[in-house]
Amino acid sequence: GAVVSQHPSRVICKSGTSVKIECRSLDFQATTMFWYRQFPKQSLMLMATSNEGSKATYEQGVEKDKFLINHASLTLSTLTVTSAHPEDSSFYICSATSSPETQYFGPGTRLLVL
Amino acid sequence: AQTVTQSQPEMSVQEAETVTLSCTYDTSESDYYLFWYKQPPSRQMILVIRQEAYKQQNATENRFSVNFQKAAKSFSLKISDSQLGDAAMYFCAYRHTWNTGNQFYFGTGTSLTVIP
Repeated sequence: GAVVSQHPSRVICKSGTSVKIECRSLDFQATTMFWYRQFPKQSLMLMATSNEGSKATYEQGVEKDKFLINHASLTLSTLTVTSAHPEDSSFYICSATSSPETQYFGPGTRLLVL
Repeated sequence: AQTVTQSQPEMSVQEAETVTLSCTYDTSESDYYLFWYKQPPSRQMILVIRQEAYKQQNATENRFSVNFQKAAKSFSLKISDSQLGDAAMYFCAYRHTWNTGNQFYFGTGTSLTVIP
């Protein structure tokens, strides 16, 4: 149980385009989902917290107009990187909670902006 | 803000031996959760073990166990009978119990190499 999927697993796009990443909790309802960014050999950096039916809460320094988060249902959250630039290239990970104690992570999405 | 410190960027262990990964944290709370997550080369974060701060008994999961020292704010992970599949980045994480936002605070990670 507690499986979280992400799609796509890898995406390459041209600079200036937008990319949407989906995060789904497959076998449980997630009241809260999180979006992280991870640079090589570094820890996870929390970008935003997403609650179903409400606006996401962004961490300081994360541009909400650039990283659009939508949490449309208890099993789906999406992260859209708008007008992507090469510096947005990174590994993006989502996680979801079914209980207050534990986060379950998706497999991540590798974004490369050319 | 809470901080989680992993002072060992890299560790290595011989296969079948035991290794201990260190983690300390800073908090003024009395109730919280602590976690160890494993991130293998696939980069999928996997929950290894979880400890509730109100429990005195150290959590164990098969070959994985923790040494939770609440007064010292220390939460080390012991891996017994190390296997090649244990090679990964290990992240220690902290979470308040009262924080309805469920935010986790992660350490910087320890890269574990298992030597055959």
